Amino acid sequence: SAVISQKPSRDICQRGTSLTIQCQVDSQVTMMFWYRQQPGQSLTLIATANQGSEATYESGFVIDKFPISRPNLTFSTLTVSNMSPEDSSIYLCSVDSGERTYNEQFFGPGTRLTVL
Amino acid sequence: GDSVTQMEGPVTLSEEAFLTINCTYTATGYPSLFWYVQYPGEGLQLLLKATKADDKGSNKGFEATYRKETTSFHLEKGSVQVSDSAVYFCALRGRTGGFKTIFGAGTRLFVKA
Repeated sequence: SAVISQKPSRDICQRGTSLTIQCQVDSQVTMMFWYRQQPGQSLTLIATANQGSEATYESGFVIDKFPISRPNLTFSTLTVSNMSPEDSSIYLCSVDSGERTYNEQFFGPGTRLTVL
Repeated sequence: GDSVTQMEGPVTLSEEAFLTINCTYTATGYPSLFWYVQYPGEGLQLLLKATKADDKGSNKGFEATYRKETTSFHLEKGSVQVSDSAVYFCALRGRTGGFKTIFGAGTRLFVKA
């Protein structure tokens, strides 16, 4: 199984600022996924990040708001830009458990963001 | 498109009670089905899975059977503990969903001592 760490674990930010969330995996993985979990809600996929290519964003999410970097096979960052209170959520990093596309996913502990 | 519907919560039970959380899905073909659990203040972790019809996934006393005929994957446990208090997510992953994991809304379980 993969062990995923995220930094920061939580933060309180002011409106209009940006926050970069880091995700580190203890093994090399092809794809990394970024999810948002709004309070009391399910998970919504923001984007899929492949090493060496631009991230693929889901409907309703754009690169200007959520730029993603994927410099190598064990690390990714998600930036939440020009934040508003509506961005207050838990942001989760995730990876596949193997190369098969029907596999389960492993999740990081999440970053709890509050925007004032 | 693919979707997952699970029973709304919260569900409140006394310790040692029987638990059922209903989950039904819509998908073409044979997706893999999962139950994930999220304990307070943590990320999601896999509880159990089933990859084909009639498979039974089990872990930590929890069970769920992949029922193709009823498109269901209900989660059951015979005797819950206070430590089972968490949010439970039913999920699927299959070809028609572009192999993206589709999550249900989640069901919060409270177990009282």
